Parts: sequence; C-alpha cells; structure tokens
Amino acid sequence: GQQVMQIPQYQHVQEGEDFTTYCNSSTTLSNIQWYKQRPGGHPVFLIQLVKSGEVKKQKRLTFQFGEAKKNSSLHITATQTTDVGTYFCAGNTGNQFYFGTGTSLTVIP
Amino acid sequence: IAGITQAPTSQILAAGRRMTLRCTQDMRHNAMYWYRQDLGLGLRLIHYSNTAGTTGKGEVPDGYSVSRANTDDFPLTLASAVPSQTSVYFCASSEEGFTNEKLFFGSGTQLSVL
Repeated sequence: GQQVMQIPQYQHVQEGEDFTTYCNSSTTLSNIQWYKQRPGGHPVFLIQLVKSGEVKKQKRLTFQFGEAKKNSSLHITATQTTDVGTYFCAGNTGNQFYFGTGTSLTVIP
Repeated sequence: IAGITQAPTSQILAAGRRMTLRCTQDMRHNAMYWYRQDLGLGLRLIHYSNTAGTTGKGEVPDGYSVSRANTDDFPLTLASAVPSQTSVYFCASSEEGFTNEKLFFGSGTQLSVL
C-alpha cells in the first residue's frame, strides 16, 4: 500500500492566496524531500528536511517537518502564477524513498 | 549541458511488443533509478542501481527489467508490454545512492500501450 499520503490531490487558488499541502507517513521517516513538477515537466528538487520539528524557508515557501517525523507540510504565501505545478513529498523510511501522491496546484490570475 | 537524457520522448506500442527505454547521464552519478508516474499514485520506483554492475527491485518491478553495464547508461526494458504499463516513465540519478541525496530527473518518456 501507499507508504506516504499527500493531501489535497488538487487545489485551485486565486493568485495572491496562500496554499498548503500536507504529507503523512505511517512510519517514522529519516528525512523528507520536496519536489516541484511544472506541467509537462519533470520533478525538480526543492528541499530536504532532516530534524524533528525542522522549519525551512525559501522565499515564499515554508517547509515543516513534524515533531514525530511522520508528517510534513509545504506552505506557499501569496501564490503567483509561477507556482503552478504538482508538488511531491518523498519520505525516506531508512532504505528507500516513497513519493507522495502529489498535490496539483492551479493558480487563477 | 550536464544532466539526464531519456529517449524516446514518447512512444505508442502494441501490446505484446518489446520496448527499451533509454537513459543516459553525464554527471558520473553512481546511483540511477526508474520511476513510473500515474495520476493519483505519484511516482513509484520500478528498479534502481546503486552502482555499475548492480541492480535492485523497487515497489513495482513486475514486467520490467534493467541493466547497468556502465555508470552512464541505465536502460529499462518491457519484455512484453501490457496496457497497464501505459504511464510516464522517469529516469533519475543521485550521486552515491544514499537516501539523503537529492534526485535529478530526466525529462520523461510518455508510453502508451494499446
């Protein structure tokens, strides 16, 4: 079964609104990575979180790793049309990465 | 430009035919991977190779085979294609194959099996 679940599957937002995607694992993760895939493109690495409770920021993007290292979130503040794409988390169970199902973000201008 | 090259970009294949998807990287990465991407299922690992000469099975290996004769090339073969293998296939690489390394992806191959 799916090791890493991600919600929501789809999200439509008005430009300027915030967006959050959540990633949940049934097992404790060693680390978690986030990737972005533009429409028609390939996944591109964004960031890796390793420590319990870790928070990292990249401009308007904020990434969090849960205290129990079983969940993570990506929050985008004031979305722009350039944020359009599918965001994937990838959880490391210790010997393998499991990608989440992805959240497809549409930004309405 | 350094990176991963996949070929073909897209392919329509009759069921039962044999097909090899090609993947070449020029980053001298030790580890390479094949993923398939399906709507609602995300990216699932088919096979991987941590170094030339070795390969391993991922989550969904059935119906696929790989080889790693050298560092640069990691072809994926469908011996007898079936419609359920219709998908987008991504090849990826990482420096050493450790699970704290980021993955670099190729541009993908869209495969349709009819």
